[in-house]
Order: sequence, then structure tokens, then C-alpha cells
Amino acid sequence: AQSVTQPDIHITVSEGASLELRCNYSYGATPYLFWYVQSPGQGLQLLLKYFSGDTLVQGIKGFEAEFKRSQSSFNLRKPSVHWSDAAEYFCAVGGGNTGKLIFGQGTTLQVKP
Amino acid sequence: GAVVSQHPSWVICKSGTSVKIECRSLDFQATTMFWYRQFPKQSLMLMATSNEGSKATYEQGVEKDKFLINHASLTLSTLTVTSAHPEDSSFYICSARRGGLGEQYFGPGTRLTVT
Repeated sequence: AQSVTQPDIHITVSEGASLELRCNYSYGATPYLFWYVQSPGQGLQLLLKYFSGDTLVQGIKGFEAEFKRSQSSFNLRKPSVHWSDAAEYFCAVGGGNTGKLIFGQGTTLQVKP
Repeated sequence: GAVVSQHPSWVICKSGTSVKIECRSLDFQATTMFWYRQFPKQSLMLMATSNEGSKATYEQGVEKDKFLINHASLTLSTLTVTSAHPEDSSFYICSARRGGLGEQYFGPGTRLTVT
């Protein structure tokens, strides 16, 4: 079955500290992988995506993610977190002909001053 | 580029009435649009996929007669919640796909409250 797991429901980091949000997926075909961010009461903004090629992808707002096929993971990282990064983060897998996305449960990021 | 709008951003309606939510791709033509529902503190649940000029494909468990989807053009899809009940209160988000690579662009969402 196709699924996405974000093991951490809630993460708190201090401003300026590094961040890693975990994402594991189960998908039958070659996955298209995405990270989205959602601020309260807002829609989703695409941070970055992986379709093929270089397994380390750079996104907006200083985020990056690494695709590890052997671990079925696509973890999101940022070297130095800013208070404005506090939000809900969703990992998603899918795409292809149907374009359907399967979302993880989301990780709430809280940033301490 | 790749901006998706939704209207209205929030709506309150009485139980038993119908409400229509619009989703527009402002600067691109969307081959496919998607409608999601999101409950507080939860992930997005795909309700249906709509392609321009054809009937929407609903996910299992979604009542097609209750949630009417019309994709009249390459830039507009509408979701009509018919005979709304308080349990239909939720955050509804649409997305639009440009091209064939599966990347979706999301609207800002519509908060529906049924009283």
C-alpha cells in the first residue's frame, strides 16, 4: 500500500538551531516526493520537490531535502531555523498520470526564541 | 507564476442550504484540479480529482451527490456542498496541476462553517 509516514508529530527547536524533519514513504513505483509548508489557516506552499537526478534537492527559504532510496526516506533539513519557520510541514508522495498526492500526517514545528 | 485562488476564503451557511466554492488557476491552465478536506490539526484528505470537461473522480467514501464538482474550464473548478450539515464544517483546499509531472499548486483554502 502507498503511504507516507512523518514520525514526529511535533518538534520544538530554538531559533538558529538546525532542523531535520523525517519522512518515510511506501510507494510501488519511482516516487515523486514533495515537501509543503502550511501556515495556520492557509493553503500549502511547495518547499521543494524530487522527481529524479541529484538526490539532494534545494528548495525555497533555505530548505533542502535528501532522497535516500535504500531507506525510503526524504528528510527535510535547514541549517538555521528562523522564528518565521514555525508552521505545519507535510511530506507527500505521488504524481504520475493521476497526479494524486498522498500526504503524511504532518509535523508541527515550534521555534523557541 | 502558478497561483491558485479560492473564493470565498470563509463562509458561514445555515444547515440545509448549499454553498459553492470556486478554485481558479490565475496564470496557468490546469489540466487537473483536486479538492481536499482538512480537519483541524490533521492532514489533507483527497476528496476528488477533476479534469476539464469530464466528470470528477471521487475517492472512496466521498458522497458525489453531496459534493458536486464542476470543472468547466482549464482555469476554473467549483465545489458545491449541497444540503450542508454541521459535520460538513471544515477547511476545503483545492489544488491545480500544470502539466504532467504531478506538481500541484494549492489555493489558500476556504473555511466552511455550517450552523
